[in-house]
Amino acid sequence: ETGVTQTPRHLVMGMTNKKSLKCEQHLGHNAMYWYKQSAKKPLELMFVYNFKEQTENNSVPSRFSPECPNSSHLFLHLHTLQPEDSALYLCASSHALRGPGNQPQHFGDGTRLSIL
Amino acid sequence: SQKIEQNSEALNIQEGKTATLTCNYTNYSPAYLQWYRQDPGRGPVFLLLIRENEKEKRKERLKVTFDTTLKQSLFHITASQPADSATYLCALDYGNNRLAFGKGNQVVVIP
Repeated sequence: ETGVTQTPRHLVMGMTNKKSLKCEQHLGHNAMYWYKQSAKKPLELMFVYNFKEQTENNSVPSRFSPECPNSSHLFLHLHTLQPEDSALYLCASSHALRGPGNQPQHFGDGTRLSIL
Repeated sequence: SQKIEQNSEALNIQEGKTATLTCNYTNYSPAYLQWYRQDPGRGPVFLLLIRENEKEKRKERLKVTFDTTLKQSLFHITASQPADSATYLCALDYGNNRLAFGKGNQVVVIP
């Protein structure tokens, strides 16, 4: 049990579909993150939320829309995705802070997304 | 441009030996560096964090060094076991708990 739960674990969708990825953490953290992990590439940070406020959007296309209704839940809404968006999407959480990154991040096991 | 380099070739090592992985970086000045382990189909799991003013950090059979002059971190697994087989990721802080990850280095421990 990682403390960070992502659903669904697998998702296949067409380019015109709308779907959402869900992340929930039970670790009492106040920072949450979305990452993209593609084959042969490093993890790419997409979004950061601190205390429910978005503090980082790493030039992510608008077809990805995050939502953080509270410190325990994070969503990634998907719309009109492209085949190159097929990847493993990982959610992470940590204690929030301002300054250097001295907080370990706790990851879920990801949603494997395939775009047809 | 900023780069984090980890060896793309898998490290095959005999059980009981020490595995050593390298993480080199350019155009970063991280205050902290972290190492994670990732198993197939799973998310990364945090292992160790080392600060820029620390030379070495240990946790059980794991040891990490951090040389800010060489811009390099070494990750050692002593007395390696087959259960240590995984991909190990180096991650650099670039402020406000944002992490930049390397591609990872796979370790295969042969019984």
